[in-house]
Formats: sequence, structure tokens, C-alpha cells
Amino acid sequence: NAGVTQTPKFRILKIGQSMTLQCTQDMNHNYMYWYRQDPGMGLKLIYYSVGAGITDKGEVPNGYNVSRSTTEDFPLRLELAAPSQTSVYFCASSPDDWNNEQFFGPGTRLTVL
Amino acid sequence: EDKVVQSPLSLVVHEGDTVTLNCSYEVTNFRSLLWYKQEKKAPTFLFMLTSSGIEKKSGRLSSILDKKELFSILNITATQTGDSAVYLCAKGTNAGKSTFGDGTTLTVKP
Repeated sequence: NAGVTQTPKFRILKIGQSMTLQCTQDMNHNYMYWYRQDPGMGLKLIYYSVGAGITDKGEVPNGYNVSRSTTEDFPLRLELAAPSQTSVYFCASSPDDWNNEQFFGPGTRLTVL
Repeated sequence: EDKVVQSPLSLVVHEGDTVTLNCSYEVTNFRSLLWYKQEKKAPTFLFMLTSSGIEKKSGRLSSILDKKELFSILNITATQTGDSAVYLCAKGTNAGKSTFGDGTTLTVKP
């Protein structure tokens, strides 16, 4: 099992550009999450999904969108990138709402200039 | 806003010392308390606690939960330089989400 994979590892965007961060898991987990982590801070939840076709906002959803068309994939879309979106983005998955343990991808380091 | 508060924010110790990291949380929708270790990359899971007073142990690391006082501690004995990391505490909810604290940065000097 590859676990949770994310692409790209690094990206530099100009202000106003858009991009999609990819996330795939091969553990057949129902729950998937997107977090951002700013320097010296914990993880802030952007969006999450409890299954294919179902998504919901987390603490910091503004400026982002998600979709979940399959169990495996949970892409995060940034529209009109802003310097405030410079961060490290982690995707995670967990089996169900009884087991809160989350499995994390390696992260994407995004810089918006 | 759902809060998880960790203390101290950072800690510097020498190899062989014992450290205690603290985590307090709010009771709303509580299902579990989780600890993760983060070494300059993705967090990796350490423990999940759901019951008060039952210690979980893995080698030199142990953790316990107090659901009455709403806190948990993570103990590391005989610290090694490889223990240097950010330790994250998270509250798991019955909606499947987790709220993370800002972490404790532990530095272990030789």
C-alpha cells in the first residue's frame, strides 16, 4: 500500500493563479481531510469528506474548493491564489468516525508570490 | 471555537531527561484524544486515548487521559536526540474530525 500520496511536493504560484493539489489514498478509507499548516502552528482543517460525493467545510475554507467523486481521490482547488495561502498542505484519511486516527500524506509546500 | 491547548510551546532538554507534555481540550463532541509526532514532514500517529486513567505505552513513550479535568499528558523517559520533534495533540470528535493544538517543539541535546 502506498497509503496517502500527494502531488506536487512543491509549487510556486503567482498572485491570482489557480492550481489543484492532488490527494489519493489506497486504504479504502471513507474519511478524507485537507489541512494547512503555517510555520510554528498546528494543523487547520480546510475541508473534509465523509465519503464519495459528500464534502463539508472546516475551520478555514475561504479561497479553496474540493470535490470527492471517488473514494480514493480528494483534490483541493485554489482559485485566485493569495500570499496568505502560502503554507504546507497536508491531506489525510481515516477509516471511519469511530477511529479518529488519521494517516497523512507527505505534504505540499506552496508559496504564493 | 473548539480549542486544544498544548504546553509548553517549546522545551529543550538533554539526553536522558524525562519530559512531560500537556494537552487540554474542550468537552464538546469529544470522542478521543490523539497524539502525533512530526519531524519536519507529515505527522505520524503515536496514541489514541478514549478512556480516563488507562495508560497507553510504547517503549519510552506513554500517555494518559483525564476526562474529568479534560487534559492528557505525554511522557517521554530517557530522551534521545531522535525524540526531537513537534508533538501534536488532537481532539477527535464524533463527526470524524479532529482539532489540533499548536504543538510542543521538543529539542533533545546530546
